[in-house]
Amino acid sequence: EAQVTQNPRYLITVTGKKLTVTCSQNMNHEYMSWYRQDPGLGLRQIYYSMNVEVTDKGDVPEGYKVSRKEKRNFPLILESPSPNQTSLYFCASSWDREETQYFGPGTRLLVL
Amino acid sequence: GQQLNQSPQSMFIQEGEDVSMNCTSSSIFNTWLWYKQDPGEGPVLLIALYKAGELTSNGRLTAQFGITRKDSFLNISASIPSDVGIYFCAGSPMKTSYDKVIFGPGTSLSVIP
Repeated sequence: EAQVTQNPRYLITVTGKKLTVTCSQNMNHEYMSWYRQDPGLGLRQIYYSMNVEVTDKGDVPEGYKVSRKEKRNFPLILESPSPNQTSLYFCASSWDREETQYFGPGTRLLVL
Repeated sequence: GQQLNQSPQSMFIQEGEDVSMNCTSSSIFNTWLWYKQDPGEGPVLLIALYKAGELTSNGRLTAQFGITRKDSFLNISASIPSDVGIYFCAGSPMKTSYDKVIFGPGTSLSVIP
């Protein structure tokens, strides 16, 4: 089954404790991106990647890092999480920049 | 930065009624997208628009790319209970691209059986 998976689905952590949210897709998609969703603000793009080793900043990249060492994986790294990074995070992928994006199920993060 | 506004913020309608919602921007977009999000899931693309004035349908859904390129509209005809969810518009200044895509805050739709 074609899908985008994210882990963990739920995470509670404390300020400053590094964490990684994984994203994996099994559709051989080249294009992947990360979004955060906050009430009243919709989804905001954090980072995107057009292919292996090619990443670029989206709208709200501060406090986040990404890497794209393999085509199927696009982890989101929070080196020193802060409470304002409490949010619902979505990973998405598509064949390229012009095709339909498929979203993962979301990761709900709470930073205390 | 760029922002999208959606209206209405929420709506409650009777099953069978038609629904209209819109999305406006202070700047020009070259791609407009409409998504639906069900509770606990990620957004699903409903319709993509790439040309000013374009009118595109997907079943009971019809969306239009505004002539000014600063707005877009989504209509749902003969609503049914499974239409419940949050509808997001999204725009990109790029042509047919998800780079720098901006999402609206969403319109929450409730359908009363």
